[in-house]
This record gives sequence, C-alpha cells and structure tokens, in this order.
Amino acid sequence: QQQVKQSPQSLIVQKGGISIINCAYENTAFDYFPWYQQFPGKGPALLIAIRPDVSEKKEGRFTISFNKSAKQFSLHIMDSQPGDSATYFCAVTRGSARQLTFGSGTQLTVLP
Amino acid sequence: KAGVTQTPRYLIKTRGQQVTLSCSPISGHRSVSWYQQTPGQGLQFLFEYFSETQRNKGNFPGRFSGRQFSNSRSEMNVSTLELGDSALYLCASSLGPDTDTQYFGPGTRLTVL
Repeated sequence: QQQVKQSPQSLIVQKGGISIINCAYENTAFDYFPWYQQFPGKGPALLIAIRPDVSEKKEGRFTISFNKSAKQFSLHIMDSQPGDSATYFCAVTRGSARQLTFGSGTQLTVLP
Repeated sequence: KAGVTQTPRYLIKTRGQQVTLSCSPISGHRSVSWYQQTPGQGLQFLFEYFSETQRNKGNFPGRFSGRQFSNSRSEMNVSTLELGDSALYLCASSLGPDTDTQYFGPGTRLTVL
C-alpha cells in the first residue's frame, strides 16, 4: 500500500514561474509533513515542514499548503530559479515512530 | 558544525559478500536512521537507533542489520549481498527520538556485481 502519492513525476518550469508539487496521504495519524530537496550526488536536505494544526507555512520562496480534510499537502516554489532544479520529495511521519515515509519524488527543471 | 559523515562514499562488492557502512552523526545528535534509495523503490526506511538501541525497523530482510555505539556513531551491515542491494544508503541524524528534523548525509553508493 502506497502511503504517500506524489505528483507530478517531473515538472518543467520557466525561470520566474511557480512550481507546484502535490502529495496525498492515507493515514490520518500522520502528524509531520516535511519536504526534502535532493541534488545529484547529495543526500536529501530538509526544505520546509508543517504540522497539521496550520494550513500554510511560508519560508522565503517556499510555501507548504496543507489540507487536512482532503489529506493533501503541496509545495509551492515562487519565482523559480535554475538553481532550484533538483528532485523534491514529500514525506510523512507519525507519533513516536519517527521514520520518514517518502513520496516517489518530483524531478524539477527550471529553464533559464 | 560538521554535517553527517558517511564512509565509504563508494563501494563495489560481488554477490554473496557482506558489507559494512559507517555513519557519524552531527555532533550532539543521538538518533541515527538509515534509508535505502533506489530508482525503482525510492527512499525506504531501514532502521532507527537511539542510545545504542534499535527503536524501529523497516520492511527489509534479516540480512540487513545495524548497530549504534556509545558515541552515537552507527554502522549498518548487509550480509550475503544480492544484485538488488545496489543502492544509495543514506544515514540521517537527529537530536533525539522525539525530534522531527532529520539531517541526511551524502550517502554510500553500493554497487553489487
């Protein structure tokens, strides 16, 4: 059973545009929703994270939107830059079990 | 502060051999988790250690094992290697078992021939 469904698989955006990546989850017990960014040859790096008690969190050009009733959350990258070209993973975790369950990843390409 | 360190960075083994990978967490971090990353299965949780005790284990066969030392450094071992074990093995550290934020190392790229 796939616990987190991430879409799209790949995304191409023009410089300055908005990149949107979506994730849907099944288990309502999940209580922590991070997004990770991974460049080739590197480990994933935490970008931004949200808890279900808020509907939106913004850090610089990155925003998480969270819809508890729909069991969905999304990453918005405003003013996308070529340096944002990377693979993005959503993840979920719950309670005392801190292991991250990851989405399948989205390869983002920002054209100059 | 130095990040998570993983050694070696690259490793080539043949089927049937065993391998040991090492992870040094960020100074002061006491929890270490291991993940396997492959193109087909994505990122999958292997196990988590805190205070030298395994707290959680993912859905992997018993050939995959790990341990944590008193200085929080961790090792994982894979015995009787199979071709399908070729992957990037990532270690992540966090302050403690109740801390959400996990910091990943660069990984060890294991190739099984």
